[in-house]
Amino acid sequence: AQSVSQHNHHVILSEAASLELGCNYSYGGTVNLFWYVQYPGQHLQLLLKYFSGDPLVKGIKGFEAEFIKSKFSFNLRKPSVQWSDTAEYFCAASYGAGNKLTFGGGTRVLVKP
Amino acid sequence: GAVVSQHPSRVICKSGTSVKIECRSLDFQATTMFWYRQFPKQSLMLMATSNEGSKATYEQGVEKDKFLINHASLTLSTLTVTSAHPEDSSFYICSASGGQGKPEQYFGPGTRLTVT
Repeated sequence: AQSVSQHNHHVILSEAASLELGCNYSYGGTVNLFWYVQYPGQHLQLLLKYFSGDPLVKGIKGFEAEFIKSKFSFNLRKPSVQWSDTAEYFCAASYGAGNKLTFGGGTRVLVKP
Repeated sequence: GAVVSQHPSRVICKSGTSVKIECRSLDFQATTMFWYRQFPKQSLMLMATSNEGSKATYEQGVEKDKFLINHASLTLSTLTVTSAHPEDSSFYICSASGGQGKPEQYFGPGTRLTVT
């Protein structure tokens, strides 16, 4: 069965620090990759997605992610975080032509002002 | 962007009763809708996938007779939790996608179900 794993459950950092959240997916052929964010009390929002092409994907709010096929990874990065980036971040993958998403366990990020 | 709504946002029901949760895509036609369950401080667990006009496909371990899913139109799917028990208390989230070639899912705000 396909699986997605996120390396960190909790991350605490200060404003202006750089953020990198790890995500690995299991092999399953063609894969589409996503990062979603869930701000406190809000619904999941799509940060960015990778289907094909340039492995460096830029998303909203200054986030980017890099698809490294050889490492089965799709890590999320932001050079300088803000307090408003406090949220839970979910990596997800869909395989083949299907739309079904497999989610990672999520990473709670707390940015201290 | 694509907007998905859920109703109600919160519901409290007594054990043994049934609860219906609605999921609507407000500005696009959702050929596929998904229902997830999220336990506190955990990730989303896919319960079932529903395509408009056909029976839902349930994930392993999800009781189809307990969690009835109807996707009667391209903008509405419903999840009915039948004979609810306290262990069914959870956060239920739906998402919608435009189908083949449009794999992005757009998520609703979720419904907090509490069974007393």
